[in-house]
Amino acid sequence: EPEVTQTPSHQVTQMGQEVILRCVPISNHLYFYWYRQILGQKVEFLVSFYNNEISEKSEIFDDQFSVERPDGSNFTLKIRSTKLEDSAMYFCASRRQAYQPQHFGDGTRLSIL
Amino acid sequence: GQQVMQIPQYQHVQEGEDFTTYCNSSTTLSNIQWYKQRPGGHPVFLIQLVKSGEVKKQKRLTFQFGEAKKNSSLHITATQTTDVGTYFCAPDLTNSGYALNFGKGTSLLVTP
Repeated sequence: EPEVTQTPSHQVTQMGQEVILRCVPISNHLYFYWYRQILGQKVEFLVSFYNNEISEKSEIFDDQFSVERPDGSNFTLKIRSTKLEDSAMYFCASRRQAYQPQHFGDGTRLSIL
Repeated sequence: GQQVMQIPQYQHVQEGEDFTTYCNSSTTLSNIQWYKQRPGGHPVFLIQLVKSGEVKKQKRLTFQFGEAKKNSSLHITATQTTDVGTYFCAPDLTNSGYALNFGKGTSLLVTP
């Protein structure tokens, strides 16, 4: 069964550094998402991406964040200057069409020191 | 956005007991999805409910969508240790991105 794959599984970075989290959504899916989950808390929506542009973003997704789909398969989340509070699990998800189930990757655990 | 409240936050049961988690919204939902997240894992889709009053079953799991489409529930009959995890309800946000708006989840612990 097709899966959403995320790399790396764990990223440790110094505060103030840039990080790029990578995702390969399921190949025939059209909607892509990033979510984050701070340890012990709920899953929070960051951004949705459709037709090569951001379709919606949450208050969390400020100017430090950006997303890109550089080719036909990858979907990346960049955090320009990381802060301690960016430490969380970041999940990528994709879906074929609106209102269909979302499929989540295994996540990238981001630890900011 | 369509905020949802989930109760209880935690539930600890003995294996074989039943379990129910409730999801409530102040606004009418277009649909609701349920996800399960095992400790250390990622959310895994369980079911989607769309119609008013809809009831769906998956083996020991029964999902309901209220008549007014403002609440939903997940009931597990005769829990097993494999049911351990956090159960999230998640309606679609009514926006162009159709992102999921997760509740805080109910963490279920099942002891043998």
